[in-house]
Amino acid sequence: GAVVSQHPSRVICKSGTSVKIECRSLDFQATTMFWYRQFPKQSLMLMATSNEGSKATYEQGVEKDKFLINHASLTLSTLTVTSAHPEDSSFYICSARLAGSSYNEQFFGPGTRLTVL
Amino acid sequence: AQSVTQLGSHVSVSEGALVLLRCNYSSSVPPYLFWYVQYPNQGLQLLLKYTSAATLVKGINGFEAEFKKSETSFHLTKPSAHMSDAAEYFCAVSRSNFGNEKLTFGTGTRLTIIP
Repeated sequence: GAVVSQHPSRVICKSGTSVKIECRSLDFQATTMFWYRQFPKQSLMLMATSNEGSKATYEQGVEKDKFLINHASLTLSTLTVTSAHPEDSSFYICSARLAGSSYNEQFFGPGTRLTVL
Repeated sequence: AQSVTQLGSHVSVSEGALVLLRCNYSSSVPPYLFWYVQYPNQGLQLLLKYTSAATLVKGINGFEAEFKKSETSFHLTKPSAHMSDAAEYFCAVSRSNFGNEKLTFGTGTRLTIIP
């Protein structure tokens, strides 16, 4: 149980285009989802916390207009990288917290590799 | 502010040997500590967590970790390495175990098992 999927797993796009990444909790409801960015040989850096039905909370230094997050249902959150540039190339990972859980256990998706040409 | 430091970005051990992955934390409040494992092309999976109860925590796949406040450490160990243990391991810290407290991750340690 507690499976999280991400789609697509890899995406290559041209500079200036927008890319949408989906994060789904497949067998549980998630009131909270988290979006991370991982650079090679570096930590997972939290970008934003996404709560179902409300605006996402962004970490300091993360551009809200650049990285649009929507959490429209208890099983789906989306991250849209708008007007992508080569410096946005990275590995994006989402996680989901089980609704009603008293523990801060996050279930992680497999990640999405974004390459911007 | 909280942080974790993982000593050694790469660790290699022989199959059957002891696995020791090091993690030191920095926290202004009592920390909650986690170890995650990431296999190639997969998401992070929780190995174990410390939530201020027992200082020796047992996790899945034979792994365990001991919280040592005096050393600000939470090292991960396994008595006998198996080939299937080859993966990337992340230590993480949060301020509490509830709500939307964020996790702060270390840079990861890649474990290689030598046949």
